[in-house]
Amino acid sequence: NAGVTQTPKFQVLKTGQSMTLQCAQDMNHNSMYWYRQDPGMGLRLIYYSASEGTTDKGEVPNGYNVSRLNKREFSLRLESAAPSQTSVYFCASSAGGTYNSPLHFGNGTRLTVT
Amino acid sequence: AQSVAQPEDQVNVAEGNPLTVKCTYSVSGNPYLFWYVQYPNRGLQFLLKYITGDNLVKGSYGFEAEFNKSQTSFHLKKPSALVSDSALYFCAPSRRDDKIIFGKGTRLHILP
Repeated sequence: NAGVTQTPKFQVLKTGQSMTLQCAQDMNHNSMYWYRQDPGMGLRLIYYSASEGTTDKGEVPNGYNVSRLNKREFSLRLESAAPSQTSVYFCASSAGGTYNSPLHFGNGTRLTVT
Repeated sequence: AQSVAQPEDQVNVAEGNPLTVKCTYSVSGNPYLFWYVQYPNRGLQFLLKYITGDNLVKGSYGFEAEFNKSQTSFHLKKPSALVSDSALYFCAPSRRDDKIIFGKGTRLHILP
């Protein structure tokens, strides 16, 4: 059982380049999330999708777009990467909302923007 | 403002000793309370949660957490630490509007 799978594991971009981070879950979860983790700042929510066909902004959505392709897949796109987007990105899923359902995380994508 | 505080950036404990990782929160209503653990180069893993009922909640790997409503605290505990418990721990209260707030994390270092 793979759980939540993220690709790629590592990526280096130059300022202004674009890329898409991929995420897929095989737990039949309704909700999916993208977080970024920066040292000393915990996790911050970028975007989330409460169910297939819906997406909403989190705390730090600027510079990002998302697509909930189907129930399994939720991608995060950086249209024009900036050094401030250097971070570790985590995709997560949950059976319901985060109020009472634990989050299941992927192993992350370490992104460096130079 | 709603917030969660993990007052210690790092906690050092000798193997075999009891450990406590502290968490206090300021969230309206009756939040559910979660603890997550992150091992190096991995995503966070769910450890335990408090919903209602008994103030002492048991979770994975021998961890437990004590809820104190008057002090709005949810401290993570383990009676006897293992070197393999060394990791980053996050407290995360969730709100009824489905917004979960993560603390900044406490690095637990178990000394052999």
